[in-house]
Amino acid sequence: DSGVTQTPKHLITATGQRVTLRCSPRSGDLSVYWYQQSLDQGLQFLIQYYNGEERAKGNILERFSAQQFPDLHSELNLSSLELGDSALYFCASSAGQHYGYTFGSGTRLTVV
Amino acid sequence: AQKITQTQPGMFVQEKEAVTLDCTYDTSDQSYGLFWYKQPSSGEMIFLIYQGSYDEQNATEGRYSLNFQKARKSANLVISASQLGDSAMYFCAMREDHTGGFKTIFGAGTRLFVKA
Repeated sequence: DSGVTQTPKHLITATGQRVTLRCSPRSGDLSVYWYQQSLDQGLQFLIQYYNGEERAKGNILERFSAQQFPDLHSELNLSSLELGDSALYFCASSAGQHYGYTFGSGTRLTVV
Repeated sequence: AQKITQTQPGMFVQEKEAVTLDCTYDTSDQSYGLFWYKQPSSGEMIFLIYQGSYDEQNATEGRYSLNFQKARKSANLVISASQLGDSAMYFCAMREDHTGGFKTIFGAGTRLFVKA
C-alpha cells in the first residue's frame, strides 16, 4: 500500500456518461497530481492541486474537471465520455518539489 | 518546450549484470528535477531516484544510480546487479516549475527484460 488511495479500481461506462474518480493523498502530503496513461499518449499530466488550490494545469480537456477538498482528498470528474477517454488514471501526491511522487494504484476507465 | 526522450523502447539484460537506461531532456530552466519511476506489469508506479539540477553528485539509491551529465542534458539510470524482479517499464521524468506549482512530464518509457 503506497498510502495514496484511489477508488474505484475499475470503471466501465458508456459514451456520453459522466464519472467521478476519487483520490486520497498520503498522510501529510498537500499536493495532489492527476495523470492519464494510455497506450498512444503515454503518461500525460492533467492537473495539480495544493492544499485545495489549483496550481498547475496540463493538457486537461474542458470536459474534465477536478477539485481538492478541505480534507485534501481530490476528485477528477470526466464528462461526455468518449471512447478515447479509456485509460488508466493515476493520482499521485508528494511531500514537496524535491521528492518523488507516490502514486495510487490507478483507476482503469473503460468507455464502451 | 520541455521534453524527455527515452530512445530505447526495449532492452534485455542478463541477471546479475548492470544495465543503463538512457534519458535525455530539454529545458531552458536552470532549476529542475529529474526522476526515474518503475512500472511493473501489475501497473503501479514506483518512485526510484531523484536528481536536482544543482546537485553536484550523482544520486544513488541502493542498486540504482543516476548518471547526471548536465552539459549533455542526460540523466541515465544505471541498475547494478539486475534481478528478475527488475523486469518492468522504466520512465524518466522531469519536473517543470510553474508559477505556484509544479508538473512532471514523463518520457515514453523503456521496457526492461531481465533474463535468467
